[in-house]
Formats: sequence, C-alpha cells, structure tokens
Amino acid sequence: GAVVSQHPSRVICKSGTSVKIECRSLDFQATTMFWYRQFPKQSLMLMATSNEGSKATYEQGVEKDKFLINHASLTLSTLTVTSAHPEDSSFYICSAKAASQETQYFGPGTRLLVL
Amino acid sequence: AQSVTQPDIHITVSEGASLELRCNYSYGATPYLFWYVQSPGQGLQLLLKYFSGDTLVQGIKGFEAEFKRSQSSFNLRKPSVHWSDAAEYFCGGGGTSYGKLTFGQGTILTVHP
Repeated sequence: GAVVSQHPSRVICKSGTSVKIECRSLDFQATTMFWYRQFPKQSLMLMATSNEGSKATYEQGVEKDKFLINHASLTLSTLTVTSAHPEDSSFYICSAKAASQETQYFGPGTRLLVL
Repeated sequence: AQSVTQPDIHITVSEGASLELRCNYSYGATPYLFWYVQSPGQGLQLLLKYFSGDTLVQGIKGFEAEFKRSQSSFNLRKPSVHWSDAAEYFCGGGGTSYGKLTFGQGTILTVHP
C-alpha cells in the first residue's frame, strides 16, 4: 500500500515552454501533497505544500507564478513549470500523506531538462 | 528553528560490516523522525519512522534506528551491510504545521565487496 506515482518520469523541453508534472496517490486519499526539488548531490528542498481543494502554500523564495500547483482531487496534484528556463532543470519529487497521518510517501521523481 | 543534521556526507563500508548513519535533530518538542533511502534517479523509500513509544524502531531491509532524546539523535543501524544497500540515506523530521518534513543533507553509502 501507499504508492505514489509521478508522470512523466523525465521530460525535455525547449526554453519558454510550460511543463506539467502529475503526482498521484494510487491506493490512498492524499489530503496533503508536497512538492520538492532536488539538485544533484543535494538534499530535497520543499517547494510547496498543497491541501486538496485549497491554494498551495509556497516556501520562501519559490515563485508561485512560475511553479503552479493544483490539488483538485484527493488523488492528484499537478505542478506546472511555466515559461521554463535552463535553470529550472532539476529533479522534482512529490510526496503525499493522508489526513491525520504523519508519514509522507514519495513518488519516483521527474527529471526535467530545459534546453 | 527546526533542523535535521546528518554529519557524514559519505560513508564507505565493506560488505558484511556493520553500519551506523548519524542523524541529529533540533526541535522544541519531540519530532516525528524518519529515515528514507534513495537510489540514483529514484524517489525516496521509507525505511522506518519514530513517533513515540519504544525508542528502538525496526524498519525494512534489516535496518533499525534508536531515538535518544539526551543526545538529540536518531541514528540508523544495520548489523551486516549488503551490496544492495549502497544508496543515499536521508533523515527527516516532522510534526510541525501541515506535516512538513525537514531533511538532513543526506549520507551517501558506498559498499565495497
């Protein structure tokens, strides 16, 4: 149980385009989902927290207009990187947790390369 | 501010040897503590977690961790390492608002045959 998927697993796009990454909880209802960014050989940096049906809460320094997060259902959250630039290239990982649970379950990650 | 520290960036052990990965936390109250493992290019897999109760926690793949309040530590141990344990290990602390986790810097484990 507690499986989280991400799609796509890797994406290459041109500078200036937008990219959408999906995060799904497959066997539980995720009232809260988290989006992280991980640079090579570094730890995970929390970008934002999203609760189903509410606006996402962004961490300091994360541009909410650039990284659009939608959590429209209890099993799906999306991260859209708008007008992507090469510096947005990174590994993006989502996690999900159920209500009143403290454990986060992580997706396999999405590697984004912006040319 | 809450923080989690993993003092060792890289550890190398021989296959069959014992392993201990260090994790220190700084929280006002007892946090929820987790250990995750990440293989290259993959997401994080939960190894074990501590919320309360018995301070020695058993996890998957033969791992265990001990919560020591006096030392603000939650070190991960394994009595005999296998080559497949080579990966990066992250210690995380939570229990704050919205269930956010704070991760340590990670420890890369290399296993020599």
